[in-house]
Amino acid sequence: AQRVTQPEKLLSVFKGAPVELKCNYSYSGSPELFWYVQYSRQRLQLLLRHISRESIKGFTADLNKGETSFHLKKPFAQEEDSAMYYCALDAGGTSYGKLTFGQGTILTVHP
Amino acid sequence: EAEVAQSPRYKITEKSQAVAFWCDPISGHATLYWYRQILGQGPELLVQFQDESVVDDSQLPKDRFSAERLKGVDSTLKIQPAELGDSAMYLCASSLGGVSEQYFGPGTRLTVT
Repeated sequence: AQRVTQPEKLLSVFKGAPVELKCNYSYSGSPELFWYVQYSRQRLQLLLRHISRESIKGFTADLNKGETSFHLKKPFAQEEDSAMYYCALDAGGTSYGKLTFGQGTILTVHP
Repeated sequence: EAEVAQSPRYKITEKSQAVAFWCDPISGHATLYWYRQILGQGPELLVQFQDESVVDDSQLPKDRFSAERLKGVDSTLKIQPAELGDSAMYLCASSLGGVSEQYFGPGTRLTVT
């Protein structure tokens, strides 16, 4: 069975500092990886997915199959980036569309 | 912009009572998901529908939980009887299917006393 691990429950940085939210996964196949974000008093929403290779709100994430990681990075954090971030995996195949989420990381960006 | 609707937003019920949650997905979204999110954890899939059919309910505690999507549009998740351990946020999401983006509702926070 697949598993997603986000080792940091809490992460604090100052505005303008680089930020990296870690995500590791265990799955023997070729998964689709996602980052979802939940801002205060808002719904859970998609931030980015690895297949699109987009940079959303300055965030990027690279899928490293060798290290089975999908870390989320931003070179200069902003206060509005403070939120809960979830890494998620879609195993595909018979589990197509079924997301397995990590436990989440609360990011706080201080002024 | 279309959004997933859920009701009620909050529900307090006593142990052994029945409780039901409702979800209205974005129009045209064939796939509907129910997730349970226990405090401090990520969402966990309970059931996935494709139109009116259940695709995956392997994590649904079927002795007390049931879900239906009779006309392939809105959906109801029921718990009977509720237990203290059922206290959680229940999220509904919908998508066009496959690995399409999932759009989440605001959730129903259930407290079982």
